[in-house]
Amino acid sequence: RKEVEQDPGPFNVPEGATVAFNCTYSNSASQSFFWYRQDCRKEPKLLMSVYSSGNEDGRFTAQLNRASQYISLLIRDSKLSDSATYLCVVNRNQFYFGTGTSLTVIP
Amino acid sequence: GAGVSQSPRYKVAKRGQDVALRCDPISGHVSLFWYQQALGQGPEFLTYFQNEAQLDKSGLPSDRFFAERPEGSVSTLKIQRTQQEDSAVYLCASSPFGRQSDTQYFGPGTRLTVL
Repeated sequence: RKEVEQDPGPFNVPEGATVAFNCTYSNSASQSFFWYRQDCRKEPKLLMSVYSSGNEDGRFTAQLNRASQYISLLIRDSKLSDSATYLCVVNRNQFYFGTGTSLTVIP
Repeated sequence: GAGVSQSPRYKVAKRGQDVALRCDPISGHVSLFWYQQALGQGPEFLTYFQNEAQLDKSGLPSDRFFAERPEGSVSTLKIQRTQQEDSAVYLCASSPFGRQSDTQYFGPGTRLTVL
């Protein structure tokens, strides 16, 4: 079983839409959690860390449910510039990446 | 300030050749990581350095892969006798402290194609 599972998508949404991604992880001993964004043929860049209490950064909200072992990312009011692959990352002495979820925001 | 840099950005090798990939981490960063990213997949961990010490090499896929960071700054990932399955993007990342839970900052990667 993979450490981190993500729906690869693709998600194609119109500008202004709200879109949510989920990710599940297999090991309850996982220590910290992140969402990274990766543009085509570019390196991953940190979008936000994820905390049990939930955290928000502008249009982005991340949540962690330790009991169910899933992590979510909500993007409100989608912009064209949000088009990218979103990688769920779980840390347990090393970073484990999901395969990424592809998002395309359509004009 | 300068981010993580990697060179070369692209490398084409014939099967059986040796290659060396270089990573310059952010100045002062203690931790350095190497990842392999195959097409359509997320990055997969290869190895981890804290300063010059290689503390985890559990992700290296075979003994053809070797990494070093002799002075605790620049690192080199060497692949001997390259095979077609080694074709991937090799990403380097660094983080400020000697803990594997810190945020990691990635370089642009080296895209290796083995013919």
